Amino acid sequence: SAVISQKPSRDICQRGTSLTIQCQVDSQVTMMFWYRQQPGQSLTLIATANQGSEATYESGFVIDKFPISRPNLTFSTLTVSNMSPEDSSIYLCSAGTGYEKLFFGSGTQLSVL
Amino acid sequence: DAKTTQPPSMDCAEGRAANLPCNHSTISGNEYVYWYRQIHSQGPQYIIHGLKNNETNEMASLIITEDRKSSTLILPHATLRDTAVYYCTLDGDSWGKLQFGAGTQVVVTP
Repeated sequence: SAVISQKPSRDICQRGTSLTIQCQVDSQVTMMFWYRQQPGQSLTLIATANQGSEATYESGFVIDKFPISRPNLTFSTLTVSNMSPEDSSIYLCSAGTGYEKLFFGSGTQLSVL
Repeated sequence: DAKTTQPPSMDCAEGRAANLPCNHSTISGNEYVYWYRQIHSQGPQYIIHGLKNNETNEMASLIITEDRKSSTLILPHATLRDTAVYYCTLDGDSWGKLQFGAGTQVVVTP
C-alpha cells in the first residue's frame, strides 16, 4: 500500500495570499489527484496531476486559482492562490496505480481569515 | 450531480453486521465501485472496490448486483472504531477520478 504525506497539515492564512501544499508518496504511482472538502461537505475532485505536463482540471476549477505541479512519479504540489475565506477547506491528495486501490493523504486543513 | 445515493445515516450495534446500501443506477460499464470511510478529521480510508464480482478483504465484503445498479458494503462484526462516514463512489469517465456523494454516517453503539 502507498503512504501519502501532506504538508502542511493545517495552516491559517490571510486573504489575498497563496499557500502551496505538498504531497509526497512513498512509492511511484501512475496517477495523482487533488480533492477539496468544504466544511461539512463531501469531497470534490479539483484536478488530475499529470507527470511532466499540465494538470487536467474539473469543471469549476481553473489553473490560475489552483496551479498544480507534478515533477515526478512520487510528488505533487497544489497552490491555492489569492485566497479568500471561501477557500477555507480541507485539501486532500490521492494517488494510485491503475485499477487498484486509491489512497488518500490525511489532508491539509486551510483556514483563510 | 452525484452518481451514487446512500442513506444519510445508520445505527449499528457493536458486534453485529452492518449492511450499507448504495444506489448507482446510472453506472456505466467500465466504472468501478469504490468504498471509503472517513473518520472525523482524517483523510478517507480505502475499504474495498469492485467492477462486477463480489469482493471480500480483511475489512469488508462488497456485494454488487448483477445489473450493477446497486451495491452493499458489509462490515461483518462492527466495532466502535467503525463509526465514520462511509462513501460509495464511482471512478467516473477515467480511472481514479472518484465522484463522491454525501455518504452515510454510521454510528456503532455498545
